[in-house]
Amino acid sequence: DIQMTQSPSTLSASVGDRVTITCRASQSIINRLAWYQQKPGKAPQLLIYQASTLQRGVPSRFSGSGFGTEFTLTISSLQPDDFATYYCQEYNCCKIFGGGTKVEIK
Amino acid sequence: EVQVVESGGGLVKPGGSLRLSCVVSGFSFSRYWMSWVRQAPGKGLQWVANIREDGGAKQFAGSLKGRFTISRDNAENSVYLEINGLRDEDTAVYYCARDLPNGYFDVWGKGTTVTVSS
Repeated sequence: DIQMTQSPSTLSASVGDRVTITCRASQSIINRLAWYQQKPGKAPQLLIYQASTLQRGVPSRFSGSGFGTEFTLTISSLQPDDFATYYCQEYNCCKIFGGGTKVEIK
Repeated sequence: EVQVVESGGGLVKPGGSLRLSCVVSGFSFSRYWMSWVRQAPGKGLQWVANIREDGGAKQFAGSLKGRFTISRDNAENSVYLEINGLRDEDTAVYYCARDLPNGYFDVWGKGTTVTVSS
């Protein structure tokens, strides 16, 4: 099975910071990668699919990039509503999620 | 308004069985694959299973084959997940999600909690 590894597992940042989260696949997944945001006690919400396509309604401060095995999610200017856990998910094979990155207040 | 509502969770003894239900509204249910995704307490997300629009094809996470059954009733806009031989490690919130053709999930329910404990 494909393994999806996110780093860091926890990230401390301040409002206004530029934040980057990395997701690495153990084998190529082309660009078949999605990113989700999850807040405590809530369901995940789709942010980005196809590695870089923003889901409708998602603020433009979120962006995604990457191809093959390495991908990044960037928040250009962190807002109070963005403190949450972020997951990547591959859909080239087996719908495997990364372990998550918790973005917390510094 | 698109809505996905799960139900059927609860406290079950190890070895028991449970049937989770998911009812959707606000979109053409019969045109979409549907998935179940679970999340153990304090842990990440794990895709469990999905089912094709017509119910004719089903897929399961490799590690979970055998104890899980997925089904749907398009007349009732519902999808179901039956779990047999429940184990402690099945304790989780189970989410129902719309599974787009490419394989990611754009609409999620709020989840239903399954607790396996003696």
